[in-house]
Amino acid sequence: EVQLVESGGGLVQPGRSLRLSCAASGFRFDEYGMHWVRQAPGKGLEWVSGISWNSDSTGYADSVKGRVTISRDNAKNSLYLQMNSLRAEDTALYYCVKGRDFRVLSPFDYWGQGALVTVSS
Amino acid sequence: EVVLTQSPGTLSLSPGGRATLSCRASESVTNNYLAWYQQKPGQAPRLLIYVTASRATGTPDRFSGSGSGTDFTLTISRLEPEDFAAYYCQQYGSSPPTFGQGTKVEI
Repeated sequence: EVQLVESGGGLVQPGRSLRLSCAASGFRFDEYGMHWVRQAPGKGLEWVSGISWNSDSTGYADSVKGRVTISRDNAKNSLYLQMNSLRAEDTALYYCVKGRDFRVLSPFDYWGQGALVTVSS
Repeated sequence: EVVLTQSPGTLSLSPGGRATLSCRASESVTNNYLAWYQQKPGQAPRLLIYVTASRATGTPDRFSGSGSGTDFTLTISRLEPEDFAAYYCQQYGSSPPTFGQGTKVEI
């Protein structure tokens, strides 16, 4: 069974940093692209960032480019999102998401339950 | 980036009814790489359809996708009580992948 478990969310002040982690299990982690997708309270879905199976290819939404870094450790079956210079508009539930194949551009076939990030003073 | 516009915003129907959800893209979706997701309150989204018309594992056959280029449709042939939820389209043919704003199917 595919499982994606996010951690690292919480309340953070504007301008500070936070690192989200995602522990994956139930599939060959090193064969699939992975993503972070967020959802602000009561709003729709927004893709944040994605990474290919071997980390050679990454992508970022314009709204976070320059402030966020995605990475993965295939030996640890883990995905990360380093977020810096956080803003109030980054407040959202952040989902760890598995791509359907090895590329960055693929549909998202499994989702975690999300980590809540709240940016507020 | 490709902007996806879903209509209607809300669809009010009865169990047993037929739902037709629209997703229109601001430019042609590369390779018709268009997916549909279902999200119920308090739950993560679930992949229903990918590459326009292919059902994901576990998607009932009352769900069908169609379309090409800039116009895509998700049809639910006979609504079951568990189908009342929000639905999002997504294009993944070009970067960045983008989502529509969603359609809520309500009783």
